[in-house]
Amino acid sequence: KAGVTQTPRYLIKTRGQQVTLSCSPISGHRSVSWYQQTPGQGLQFLFEYFSETQRNKGNFPGRFSGRQFSNSRSEMNVSTLELGDSALYLCASSLSGAQETQYFGPGTRLLVL
Amino acid sequence: KQEVTQIPAALSVPEGENLVLNCSFTDSAIYNLQWFRQDPGKGLTSLLLIQSSQREQTSGRLNASLDKSSGRSTLYIAASQPGDSATYLCAVRTQNPPSGTYKYIFGTGTRLKVLA
Repeated sequence: KAGVTQTPRYLIKTRGQQVTLSCSPISGHRSVSWYQQTPGQGLQFLFEYFSETQRNKGNFPGRFSGRQFSNSRSEMNVSTLELGDSALYLCASSLSGAQETQYFGPGTRLLVL
Repeated sequence: KQEVTQIPAALSVPEGENLVLNCSFTDSAIYNLQWFRQDPGKGLTSLLLIQSSQREQTSGRLNASLDKSSGRSTLYIAASQPGDSATYLCAVRTQNPPSGTYKYIFGTGTRLKVLA
């Protein structure tokens, strides 16, 4: 079974731009969660999608949004990029999310200049 | 507010040693706790998942224990090898009343180096 894939792997943007990151979960997994990892704040939960609905949300501003498609693939969008948005963005999938193991993708490294 | 702490932040041991990594959390009302390893610049690899009703889980040379009442989990690595060098993260899944939603809260990790 293929693992969680994320595209692109690396991205360079400038302040004020917007960016869209993509995540394809393991086949059969319906829950997709997104995380931001920075040296200063560590790993922080952004949001979780299940069956095309946002089920859980972390404490991030509205510039961070996401969606999930009927095939469970998910996208995350960040608008009006700030320097502090530079981070490794990880997505994780699980069967239904509640009690199972989360499987992580390799991440997308975003650099905002 | 749930906080997760991992001590030590970094650890360097000679190959073959048995070692223990610690994870503490402030709120015992958790669904489960998961241990991960992360290699530099990479995503996370799941090691062990312990449900709130369980006391421990084992996989090969790894054993994780959970004591909810004291807010602690330990990851025991037997006969460490250079390939075990990585950052180890624990994460607790918590519930957010009254909405019933939940999220994972991660510790800051223990950076382990096993010397050959």
